[in-house]
Amino acid sequence: AAGVIQSPRHLIKEKRETATLKCYPIPRHDTVYWYQQGPGQDPQFLISFYEKMQSDKGSIPDRFSAQQFSDYHSELNMSSLELGDSALYFCASSLALGRDSAGELFFGEGSRLTVL
Amino acid sequence: AQSVAQPEDQVNVAEGNPLTVKCTYSVSGNPYLFWYVQYPNRGLQFLLKYITGDNLVKGSYGFEAEFNKSQTSFHLKKPSALVSDSALYFCAVRGAFSGGYNKLIFGAGTRLAVHP
Repeated sequence: AAGVIQSPRHLIKEKRETATLKCYPIPRHDTVYWYQQGPGQDPQFLISFYEKMQSDKGSIPDRFSAQQFSDYHSELNMSSLELGDSALYFCASSLALGRDSAGELFFGEGSRLTVL
Repeated sequence: AQSVAQPEDQVNVAEGNPLTVKCTYSVSGNPYLFWYVQYPNRGLQFLLKYITGDNLVKGSYGFEAEFNKSQTSFHLKKPSALVSDSALYFCAVRGAFSGGYNKLIFGAGTRLAVHP
């Protein structure tokens, strides 16, 4: 079965540089989520999109932005990178609640960002 | 506000013994509850969910979880642990009536170590 695809899997950037992460959700899933997981921490919700519109916003820094495109893929753009941005970034997708779904999220393998 | 607590940072169990990973939740209304497992440098894998119905939910890899409304708990269990079960386990919750696309809130995670 198709899963959530994230790219790149690994990314190394210098401070103050810009990075873009991509996510391709499971086909027919209408909701995409971005989470950030620091070393030894639980995943922290950043932002989500439902049918290409931002649906919820968490602890996403102002330096970060995201969007979902017409083909449902999503991109997380991170600018003015800081050392503390080094983390695993997960994308997840789901069907919305009420569409034969409890809204369980299915996660990609993550993109590991290292900021030097 | 929704929240999840996993009171144990780590659980140690001998192979073949039963295991329990604890989770308590706080949510307005009826909860949707989930367990995920994460292996090193991998994405979160969905194990099981509780929506409604039987309090004992069966999931992947022989895991099950018991929903207890009076104790607001959703403990993960397995009758006989395997060394390969050693991983990080996350409990998560979402409110049933908080919108069709709301995020999951994760607990801090519990590291399960199964010893031969």
